[in-house]
Amino acid sequence: GAGVSQTPSNKVTEKGKYVELRCDPISGHTALYWYRQSLGQGPEFLIYFQGTGAADDSGLPNDRFFAVRPEGSVSTLKIQRTERGDSAVYLCASSLSVNTGELFFGEGSRLTVL
Amino acid sequence: DAKTTQPNSMESNEEEPVHLPCNHSTISGTDYIHWYRQLPSQGPEYVIHGLTSNVNNRMASLAIAEDRKSSTLILHRATLRDAAVYYCILLLYDNNNDMRFGAGTRLTVKP
Repeated sequence: GAGVSQTPSNKVTEKGKYVELRCDPISGHTALYWYRQSLGQGPEFLIYFQGTGAADDSGLPNDRFFAVRPEGSVSTLKIQRTERGDSAVYLCASSLSVNTGELFFGEGSRLTVL
Repeated sequence: DAKTTQPNSMESNEEEPVHLPCNHSTISGTDYIHWYRQLPSQGPEYVIHGLTSNVNNRMASLAIAEDRKSSTLILHRATLRDAAVYYCILLLYDNNNDMRFGAGTRLTVKP
């Protein structure tokens, strides 16, 4: 069956450019999470959606980061004016509902900002 | 936020049991204990979770202390494919359900 799909798998961009990362959750999963992971560290929480609304965006590091989920399925993480420090693997996960706690992760999008 | 403490790394021999500890002394009565693992170059995958009673599934067992201030993930027979970073996470099931990872324990399995 289809798992969580993330595109692109790799993205190389230049400092100052705009980037979009896409996440296709498992069909029927209402909860969607974004994390980023730097080398040697655990995933860092960014934002969590329940349906179309961002239930908790307290992990977004600054206003250059924004995420949407307009129809309650696909989500896009948007990063403006990228900086070298944004280089990381961006992970998306989905779960059936807010109360199951079992997250299914994609393989991530590796972002490199030169 | 409730926090967990895990050793940075552990080693095991293939075919032997592995006990991965996690301390969570500030756990609240409604926090669930979750374990995830992350194999190299992959996203994390769910392993097991529990509240008060010990839990078993096809991947592992979870032993929870009576006071719930610690837990242990048990891999009954480690294989080389079990080499991964293991994360212990506390999760409060409410409407603001964010799951936050720590640094985890890097498990090395020796043949």
